[in-house]
Amino acid sequence: EAGVVQSPRYKIIEKKQPVAFWCNPISGHNTLYWYLQNLGQGPELLIRYENEEAVDDSQLPKDRFSAERLKGVDSTLKIQPAELGDSAVYLCASSLDSEGTQYFGPGTRLLVL
Amino acid sequence: AQSVAQPEDQVNVAEGNPLTVKCTYSVSGNPYLFWYVQYPNRGLQFLLKYITGDNLVKGSYGFEAEFNKSQTSFHLKKPSALVSDSALYFCAPDGGYNKLIFGAGTRLAVHP
Repeated sequence: EAGVVQSPRYKIIEKKQPVAFWCNPISGHNTLYWYLQNLGQGPELLIRYENEEAVDDSQLPKDRFSAERLKGVDSTLKIQPAELGDSAVYLCASSLDSEGTQYFGPGTRLLVL
Repeated sequence: AQSVAQPEDQVNVAEGNPLTVKCTYSVSGNPYLFWYVQYPNRGLQFLLKYITGDNLVKGSYGFEAEFNKSQTSFHLKKPSALVSDSALYFCAPDGGYNKLIFGAGTRLAVHP
């Protein structure tokens, strides 16, 4: 069974540019999560989807971050415009349902110059 | 505020010796408890979880964890460490609605 797929794995951009990350969850998993992991820290939840509905986006900086999961399967996280402080690893995870074990993708490492 | 503490930034152990990575938490109710491992440049891999029942939970790669309700602890253990176990380990209680609370993790270094 394929795991959570994320792309790209690495991204280098200049500040003020837009950037997007893509995530495809494990097949059949209804719940999808985006996390931010800063260097030397644990992941922090940005947003959680149940099917296509964002049920918890309280930690998402909505002035520059947006996310979508239009058909309730794959998802895109966007930053526009990127700032230097956005350099981090962006992790996607999925679970079978809202109470299930979360399985993580390999992450996208973003460097903003 | 809900929190998790892994008091050791790094744990060093010789190959073949038992290892313990400590975790205590402050979360209301009876949360599910998880351990994840992270290898360099990779995402988190699920090791094990505690929901209810037996206080000793067995997981992947020979790891197990001991739940202690009175001490609100969930320590990760392995009877015999391998060099390949060297990685970053995260304890993560569920703070409600499957919102995992992560600390900074503990780096495990297993020496040959």
